[in-house]
Amino acid sequence: DIVLTQSPALAVSLEQRATISCKTSQNVDNYGISYMHWYQQKPGQQPKLLIYEGSNLASGIPARFSGSGSGTDFTLTIDPVEADDIATYYCQQSKDYPLTFGSGTKLEIK
Amino acid sequence: QVQLKESGPGLVQPSQTLSLTCTVSGFSLTSYNVHWFRQPPGKGLEWMGRMRYNGDTSYNSALKSRLSISRDTSKNQVFLKMNSLQTDDTGTYYCTRDLGNYGSYFDYWGQGVMVTVSS
Repeated sequence: DIVLTQSPALAVSLEQRATISCKTSQNVDNYGISYMHWYQQKPGQQPKLLIYEGSNLASGIPARFSGSGSGTDFTLTIDPVEADDIATYYCQQSKDYPLTFGSGTKLEIK
Repeated sequence: QVQLKESGPGLVQPSQTLSLTCTVSGFSLTSYNVHWFRQPPGKGLEWMGRMRYNGDTSYNSALKSRLSISRDTSKNQVFLKMNSLQTDDTGTYYCTRDLGNYGSYFDYWGQGVMVTVSS
């Protein structure tokens, strides 16, 4: 199984930039596509798709969110951070089955 | 609009079978894959398995011996059955729609159903 590693928590100030990383145990790129996706989950809610295929913004998601990276190193950036962004962020790979997720990064406000 | 809704018992006794239903609207089960995930309290997400648009299924090998996914396209429903439940099967179970053309990613999720395994 492909293992995704995320830092447990990140503290940032409002209106600053948050950079959340996800490292994979294997390359998740194939034929120019990064099979890496990002989700936001608030307490008591289902996950919400933010970014798909590495850098594509999902429908209805504000442009403050962006994704980058390739191979085994990926980043979700939120700039600027707003109070409503307090949540846990998960990366997910779909290069191979079983689909796997990172353990999540909890975004906190300084 | 696209919706998915999970339903099923909130409490299951150890060693018993869990049966969940995912009722979808706003899209066709013959056009999209539907996946099941679960999330133990305070923990991360685990992929359980999927029902493809053509009726094929695939499962997480960690659960394969206990898990079955089926569907009724006339009722727009996908079913999950998992037997021999233990306490570590406690968690929230989600069904999702797969938007990906190549790799799978999920644009719509059900609200989830909390399942507690306890006697």
